[in-house]
Order: sequence, then structure tokens, then C-alpha cells
Amino acid sequence: GNSVTQMEGPVTLSEEAFLTINCTYTATGYPSLFWYVQYPGEGLQLLLKATKADDKGSNKGFEATYRKETTSFHLEKGSVQVSDSAVYFCALTPLTGNQFYFGTGTSLTVIP
Amino acid sequence: GAVVSQHPSRVICKSGTSVKIECRSLDFQATTMFWYRQFPKQSLMLMATSNEGSKATYEQGVEKDKFLINHASLTLSTLTVTSAHPEDSSFYICSARDGAAMNTEAFFGQGTRLTVV
Repeated sequence: GNSVTQMEGPVTLSEEAFLTINCTYTATGYPSLFWYVQYPGEGLQLLLKATKADDKGSNKGFEATYRKETTSFHLEKGSVQVSDSAVYFCALTPLTGNQFYFGTGTSLTVIP
Repeated sequence: GAVVSQHPSRVICKSGTSVKIECRSLDFQATTMFWYRQFPKQSLMLMATSNEGSKATYEQGVEKDKFLINHASLTLSTLTVTSAHPEDSSFYICSARDGAAMNTEAFFGQGTRLTVV
């Protein structure tokens, strides 16, 4: 079956610290992988995506690389800001079918 | 990029009344839309998959008679919470994918905060 396992939170970092949020997946075939971000009281926004092995998605200083050999899609950012405080969701969608599978979400708080 | 508009963003209703939430894809056709429920500090729980022109597919444990879904066109799906009770208070989010594109992301509405008093 399809599933996403995401690092438990909450995570609290100081401004300019390095961020890693781990995400591993189980899927049949070759899924597309996504990171979404949710700010308080809002819906989800796409942060980045990767559709095939070794692809690197990047946006706003965040990066994640599709690693087929380790079935992972870890989110990283070299220097976080207070404005990055949000909940981050890892997700996959299988090659066939429309459904998305989400991780449990990781809450990030960045303190000045 | 593609936009999904969800309305209303907040609604307060009395117990026993019904509430309708709309989800529109503004610049693409969405053959499939998804409805999620999110409890405080928790992940998204898929409630149902809404297919244009056919009956919605509900996840196990979701009451189809309580959460009525209609997907009458390629740009509009509605979720009606019937005979709402305080335990239905939650954050409801819809999402849609562009039916014409492969490997695309899901676009999410802004969410609806429902409070039943």
C-alpha cells in the first residue's frame, strides 16, 4: 500500500539554524512526492515537489531530494527564519490514481 | 498557479442546522476533488473523494448521510454538514487536481472553520 511516515514534532529552532524534517514513504511503483506547508488558520500550500528519482525540488530556500534507494524525501533548509514557523506535510501521490497520502505533519517554530 | 477557492472561511451555526461549504477550482477543471477534516494540531483526515457526475466515495467511518457531497460540475464541489452537532466543529479543507495534467500537485482551498454551538 501507500503511506508516508514523517518525523514527529514539534520542532523548535533558533533563527538561522539548519532544518531537517525527515520523510520516508511506501508506495507501489514510482510516486510523485510533495512537501506542503500550512500556516495557522489556512489551507495547505505547495512548497516543492519531485516527480522522479534523484529529482530535487526547491523553493524559498527549502530543498528535498527524491531518494528511491532509501525511499525518502527529507526537507532541508540551511537557515530558517521566524516566518518559516508553520506545519509541514510530506505527501505522495501514486503513479496511477488521484489520491494523496499525507504524513502526520511536523510543527516548526522558529524563535528569534 | 491554479487556485482553489473555498467558501465560507468561517461559519458558526446552531445545533441541528445544516451548513454548506463550497469548493471551486478557478482556472482548471477538476474531475476529482477531495474533502478533508483536520482536528487541532493533527493531520488531515480524508473524508471523501468527490467525482464529477457520480457519487462520492467515502472513507471508512465517515457518515455519508451526514456529510453530503455534490460535485455537479467540473469546477464546483459542495460539502453539506447536515444536522450539525458540536462534535462536528472542525476545520474542513477541500483540494482538487487538474484532471488534464499528469503528476500534478493537489491545490487546496483556504479551509473552513466550522463551529457548532
